[in-house]
Amino acid sequence: ETGVTQTPRHLVMGMTNKKSLKCEQHLGHNAMYWYKQSAKKPLELMFVYNFKEQTENNSVPSRFSPECPNSSHLFLHLHTLQPEDSALYLCASSQVGRKETQYFGPGTRLLVL
Amino acid sequence: DQQVKQNSPSLSVQEGRISILNCDYTNSMFDYFLWYKKYPAEGPTFLISISSIKDKNEDGRFTVFLNKSAKHLSLHIVPSQPGDSAVYFCAASGLGGNEKLTFGTGTRLTIIP
Repeated sequence: ETGVTQTPRHLVMGMTNKKSLKCEQHLGHNAMYWYKQSAKKPLELMFVYNFKEQTENNSVPSRFSPECPNSSHLFLHLHTLQPEDSALYLCASSQVGRKETQYFGPGTRLLVL
Repeated sequence: DQQVKQNSPSLSVQEGRISILNCDYTNSMFDYFLWYKKYPAEGPTFLISISSIKDKNEDGRFTVFLNKSAKHLSLHIVPSQPGDSAVYFCAASGLGGNEKLTFGTGTRLTIIP
């Protein structure tokens, strides 16, 4: 595997479900990001992790819970989501301090019913 | 309040001609600007960037122009090729390793053979 991978690529869940999105980077980076892209809206930064430590939480509701066990892996745990949380969730990685060269994964398309 | 705006959701250009994608920003603290390109089912990929100390940056067929007084930047692609058909996102940030990227909503470019 190369670059940034995300699983699953598609996810349908009910509002009472608990699910997790997974991101893995094979680039030796030390910063990882979660973004949300809703229809006809800009990419919105959700969380930033530098060296496994969360450095930014962009006022994200607590029903989204990130986890970064090491510099190569990033999770987004989902619980009691709302239909308006349906979106494309993108993971990215970079070297700390080099945000411009963020490498993105293909995203997880999430549908909340 | 959207700080980075791409007012054209779509653009069609004949193959071989010039494609011009536009982006406006409102935050005068932005001093670093980027363009990303996104194919369907893939994450965005970094294309080209420019800092506020320059007004032009060129990389092969791609040139970005920055007009700070107008808070406007544009991406020129010449000559346009069918493989350039994608969604193009403009992004901006302040200088400094921890400044987050603020994205526009994207412009879908279609190159007509």
